[in-house]
Amino acid sequence: SYVLTQPPSVSVAPGQTASITCGGNNIGSKSLHWYQQKPGQAPVLVVYDDSDRPSGIPDRFSGTNSGDTATLIIRRVEAGDEADYYCQVWDSSRDHHVFGPGTKVTVL
Amino acid sequence: QVQVVESGGGLVKPGGSLRLSCTASGFAFGDYYMSWIRQAPGKGLEWVASISSSGNILYDADSLRGRFTVSRDNAKNSVYLQMSSLRAEDTAVYYCARTPSIAAKTFWFDPWGQGTLVTVSS
Repeated sequence: SYVLTQPPSVSVAPGQTASITCGGNNIGSKSLHWYQQKPGQAPVLVVYDDSDRPSGIPDRFSGTNSGDTATLIIRRVEAGDEADYYCQVWDSSRDHHVFGPGTKVTVL
Repeated sequence: QVQVVESGGGLVKPGGSLRLSCTASGFAFGDYYMSWIRQAPGKGLEWVASISSSGNILYDADSLRGRFTVSRDNAKNSVYLQMSSLRAEDTAVYYCARTPSIAAKTFWFDPWGQGTLVTVSS
């Protein structure tokens, strides 16, 4: 089965840039989606199809996807960005959705 | 606005059954796949099942096949998750989500409902 990997945690100072990686075999050939989940809340889509943002998501959030690594980039990090972030793909070879294990972003 | 609302969670004994419901509003329900995703306490997200817009295509996680069944009623703007032979490890918040796609080659989840808690315990 297709496996996604993420670092367990990322720490970043306010105003700086956070980069959250999502690894997978030839992940660049797949369409990658990112979700933000704050404590006690449902996940929210922040990036879809590698780099597109849903309406209402600040342009501080962006994504890239190439080779074996996809990256969610959060620029000018704010305290309100502190959350768990999950990547997700559709594995068409098995007709399964796959989530990464999640990355906890801490704003110092 | 676009939203989905789950209901039907609660406390159930091991081996028991439960049916979750999800009612959608604010969009053309019959045009979208819909999905269920769960999250055990303190754990990550786990996809459970998805159903096509017309209900004729079902996808489900291998580990849950045979115990969980997804269905929908487009006339009621609703999707359901029938769960049987429940185990303690099925304890989780169950989320419903609209599942947009690009030509059915990739799918994502947006929006998510607030979730409904299922607790399996004697």
